[in-house]
Amino acid sequence: DTGVSQDPRHKITKRGQNVTFRCDPISEHNRLYWYRQTLGQGPEFLTYFQNEAQLEKSRLLSDRFSAERPKGSFSTLEIQRTEQGDSAMYLCASSGLTSGSQDEQFFGPGTRLTVL
Amino acid sequence: GESVGLHLPTLSVQEGDNSIINCAYSNSASDYFIWYKQESGKGPQFIIDIRSNMDKRQGQRVTVLLNKTVKHLSLQIAATQPGDSAVYFCAENTRAAGNKLTFGGGTRVLVKP
Repeated sequence: DTGVSQDPRHKITKRGQNVTFRCDPISEHNRLYWYRQTLGQGPEFLTYFQNEAQLEKSRLLSDRFSAERPKGSFSTLEIQRTEQGDSAMYLCASSGLTSGSQDEQFFGPGTRLTVL
Repeated sequence: GESVGLHLPTLSVQEGDNSIINCAYSNSASDYFIWYKQESGKGPQFIIDIRSNMDKRQGQRVTVLLNKTVKHLSLQIAATQPGDSAVYFCAENTRAAGNKLTFGGGTRVLVKP
């Protein structure tokens, strides 16, 4: 257990529905990252926050995706009008000055999304 | 649970033998490299890292080698154990780009008893 938690662990939804995932990072970590991982591939960067500011978004993040970190602690990732191609594992990671290195990212267990 | 990496290159190794996993990276400006281990149904777990100004770093039973000339990274696991069975990913990171990680293709390691 890295200390990063994600909820739910699994989500099955029908195409066209909206879904929201939550990530709770390690306490006091100032950076929070979202990645997406499909079967057989490494995780791909989606977006990251430093405190409450969203500093970068990948081109993978279409306008159906939105992420927030309103108080600089937990974060949510919402997908609107889900498509079958959104089926993947959504991973959250956090890093911060409290860790041994600013660079080390600690990953949560992921949320597995299945769009039917 | 689900398997991570159904179509990944696989390294089969006898328990007790050493394992070597290779990775080619793409960005010569990357200043930090990390190896992650991922077990089925779990998120990636940090194993070891190395800065771009180093060519070798050792941990407990693991060694990472970095060859910047050919942009190659390797992970050596000594005395491989059944618990080492997992998918292994290398990742590169550029501090100037916010420390976002770029992952390479993974390698599945299967340890035979």
